[in-house]
Amino acid sequence: EIVLTQSPGTLSLSPGERATLSCRASQSVSSSYLAWYQQKPGQAPRLLIYGASSRATGIPDRFSGSGSGTDFTLTISRLEPEDFAVYYCQQYGSSPPLFTFGPGTKVDIK
Amino acid sequence: QVQLQESGPGLVKPSETLSLTCAVSGYSISSGYYWGWIRQPPGKGLEWIGSIYHSGSTYYNPSLKSRVTISVDTSKNQFSLKLSSVTAADTAVYYCARVAAVADYWGQGTLVTVSS
Repeated sequence: EIVLTQSPGTLSLSPGERATLSCRASQSVSSSYLAWYQQKPGQAPRLLIYGASSRATGIPDRFSGSGSGTDFTLTISRLEPEDFAVYYCQQYGSSPPLFTFGPGTKVDIK
Repeated sequence: QVQLQESGPGLVKPSETLSLTCAVSGYSISSGYYWGWIRQPPGKGLEWIGSIYHSGSTYYNPSLKSRVTISVDTSKNQFSLKLSSVTAADTAVYYCARVAAVADYWGQGTLVTVSS
């Protein structure tokens, strides 16, 4: 079973700053099957990135994903007020088709 | 636009069975994709419960497998979750979602509290 670890647990930044979030897997993950979600209080998660680096429909280009193997990164180039939220990484094991989520990184206002 | 809506009791007694249904609109379940349930205890992270294909094939989180049943009703374009022998640890917001390698469409979520 693959375990995902996210760091840091909390990231305190100011609007306009760059955010770099890390997701590390306990074993190699196919890049095709690594995704990132954003969740705001009281809302369902929203898909941001799939396939490690592809933005989902309607996601601004200030969000970017990168990485391969066991190390993946979500970067928000310039934080907007609406970007302060919790971010989860997720991997998909195709055989069998099982989902695993990381514990999340909270991005809050400094 | 694909839309999902969870429904079911918001309060379940310990040791009883939690039952939820997810109604899908804007997409026919019979057309494909997996359909899944994900939960989130208050103040905590996301936990995948399981998924079902339109054919009825199911895959469950190994940690919950002994208590979970997911079924699909293509005639009503909905799928359902049953979680047996619930305890307070099963108190959570339960989301249904369309899942492939990612969960791209989500319901708004429904809070289920386990309490006597």
